[in-house]
Amino acid sequence: AQSVTQLDSHVSVSEGTPVLLRCNYSSSYSPSLFWYVQHPNKGLQLLLKYTSAATLVKGINGFEAEFKKSETSFHLTKPSAHMSDAAEYFCVVSDGGSQGNLIFGKGTKLSVKP
Amino acid sequence: ETGVTQTPRHLVMGMTNKKSLKCEQHLGHNAMYWYKQSAKKPLELMFVYNFKEQTENNSVPSRFSPECPNSSHLFLHLHTLQPEDSALYLCASSHQGTGVTTSDSYEQYFGPGTRLTVT
Repeated sequence: AQSVTQLDSHVSVSEGTPVLLRCNYSSSYSPSLFWYVQHPNKGLQLLLKYTSAATLVKGINGFEAEFKKSETSFHLTKPSAHMSDAAEYFCVVSDGGSQGNLIFGKGTKLSVKP
Repeated sequence: ETGVTQTPRHLVMGMTNKKSLKCEQHLGHNAMYWYKQSAKKPLELMFVYNFKEQTENNSVPSRFSPECPNSSHLFLHLHTLQPEDSALYLCASSHQGTGVTTSDSYEQYFGPGTRLTVT
C-alpha cells in the first residue's frame, strides 16, 4: 500500500532563510507525488507534482522538490522564505490505481518569523 | 482562485436538520471528490465520482449522501449529523482515466471548502 510520512508537524523559519519540509513515501511501484499548500480558511492549492519525468521538480512561488528513489524521499525546498509562505503543506502520493486517488500526509505547518 | 466553487462557505446546523453542500467545477474534469478535513487528522477521502458514477465510498456513514447529477456538479446531502461531523468539507475535481488502460494520476483541484459546525 502507498503512504506518505511528513517528518515534521511544525517548521519555523525566519524570513529570507531557506525552507525545508521533509516527506518520505512508501510505494510498491513508481509513484506520482505532489505537494499542496493550504492557507488559513482556504482550499488546497497544487504547488508541484512529480510523475516520473525530471527528478527535480519546480513549482509555483519559488518552491521545488527533488524525487530521490534511493531514499524514498520527496522533500520540499525554497531558497528564501517569505511571510506569505506561512501555511500548511501536504505531501501526497497517488494510490496507483486507475482511479488515481490521492493519499495525504498529516501536513506540516510552516511559520515564518519577520 | 481555483475553478472549483463551493457553497455555502460556512454552515451551522442542528443535529436534526437537513442541509446540502454544493460543489461546481468549471475545468472540464470528469471526476469529482468529497473530502473531510478535521483538526489534527489527515485529509479523509469520502466519495469519488467518475463520469457521474460513484466509484468509491470510504465507509462513510449513511447520514452523508452524495449526489452527482452531471460531471460539473456534486452535492453532499446531510441529515441527522453528530457534533463529531463538524469539519471542513472540501470538494475537488480532476481528469481520470476510464479505468481500462491508464494508471496515470492527475492532480486534483480543490474548492475553498465549507466549514460545517454541528450543534
